[in-house]
Amino acid sequence: GAVVSQHPSRVICKSGTSVKIECRSLDFQATTMFWYRQFPKQSLMLMATSNEGSKATYEQGVEKDKFLINHASLTLSTLTVTSAHPEDSSFYICSASVPGSSGNTIYFGEGSWLTVV
Amino acid sequence: GIQVEQSPPDLILQEGANSTLRCNFSDSVNNLQWFHQNPWGQLINLFYIPSGTKQNGRLSATTVATERYSLLYISSSQTTDSGVYFCAVVASGTYKYIFGTGTRLKVLA
Repeated sequence: GAVVSQHPSRVICKSGTSVKIECRSLDFQATTMFWYRQFPKQSLMLMATSNEGSKATYEQGVEKDKFLINHASLTLSTLTVTSAHPEDSSFYICSASVPGSSGNTIYFGEGSWLTVV
Repeated sequence: GIQVEQSPPDLILQEGANSTLRCNFSDSVNNLQWFHQNPWGQLINLFYIPSGTKQNGRLSATTVATERYSLLYISSSQTTDSGVYFCAVVASGTYKYIFGTGTRLKVLA
């Protein structure tokens, strides 16, 4: 299957600072990537859809000025958590959609554990 | 938006037992996938199954799209099967995968 790589896998940052998470498609071009957030013992919640060369589309309730998404190339999307607070501590995971003959399959990165102290 | 409910929410099995996990969705879908999330958070793609039946070793899945549900069967469970199982769907007319509520499975040795 397709390979999606995410970095860093774990990051600890101080409250008030910003942190960037990268999501790369290693063996295919991804015009669309998706960012999810998962709190402990909960499901994955879609935050936004990242579109190459255009603005991201955010889900209702997600602050676009706090979670900056940039998709500058066909293989890289980045999520920047700005002015992080402890309540932003979570597992963030990206995915890319790969079109197939019978529909689109999504593949996930390894995820990034963010802890804000 | 579409609602995706999974049952049971929690399941404890003895090693070697069989189980069936269910995913119900509230609207018609174009795509459906089953994932296993391991204790480190990694999501492993198990099946892409918008309709029909597929098998892969001890796992198999069936989706009855007209009745809006999918089933994941685990036979002869092993401790390494422990983790959380998610189904995710793309509602017709959309392009985004929405995740179900998950089933947390623990297999005891």
